[in-house]
Amino acid sequence: NAGVTQTPKFQVLKTGQSMTLQCAQDMNHEYMSWYRQDPGMGLRLIHYSVGAGITDQGEVPNGYNVSRSTTEDFPLRLLSAAPSQTSVYFCASSYSSLAEKYNEQFFGPGTRLTVL
Amino acid sequence: GNSVTQMEGPVTLSEEAFLTINCTYTATGYPSLFWYVQYPGEGLQLLLKATKADDKGSNKGFEATYRKETTSFHLEKGSVQVSDSAVYFCALSDFGGSQGNLIFGKGTKLSVKP
Repeated sequence: NAGVTQTPKFQVLKTGQSMTLQCAQDMNHEYMSWYRQDPGMGLRLIHYSVGAGITDQGEVPNGYNVSRSTTEDFPLRLLSAAPSQTSVYFCASSYSSLAEKYNEQFFGPGTRLTVL
Repeated sequence: GNSVTQMEGPVTLSEEAFLTINCTYTATGYPSLFWYVQYPGEGLQLLLKATKADDKGSNKGFEATYRKETTSFHLEKGSVQVSDSAVYFCALSDFGGSQGNLIFGKGTKLSVKP
């Protein structure tokens, strides 16, 4: 099991460019999510998905799009990058959001994005 | 709304010292509580968890007890090692209201000196 994988590990963009951060998991998890980590802010939820074809917004969704066409993949798209999106992005997955009261989330290694 | 507050860092300790990182929460209902650890350059790993009042989570010498009366989930370790240097995040999950999404505190950076 590779667990949760993310690509790329590092990326530098210019303002206005678009790109897609990739996230994949091989654990057959239903629930996947994207967080951003900023200094002094902890992790904040961007978007999440409770299964293929179902996505919803988190705390900070503006400027990001997601889709979930397969159970395994949950890409995050930046439509027009802005310096405020400079951050470290983490993808996470778990078996199901509602199957049981406790449900461990597994995190990927992160993508460090810089927008100039 | 739901929130998590944890003590500001950084925390610097000598090896074998006692560690406490305070965490308090605000939540409707009965959340599950977690401590995650992030080692340098890595993603987050679950350290321990508790799903109901008075539960004690423990792992790798770390402990935390779910205290409903004080809405707290403080992390403790009796004797820290240099390898414990990392950032520690307290988090809650309110399965009733937010589909199981995690709400994190801001993190506490721990540095342990030999």
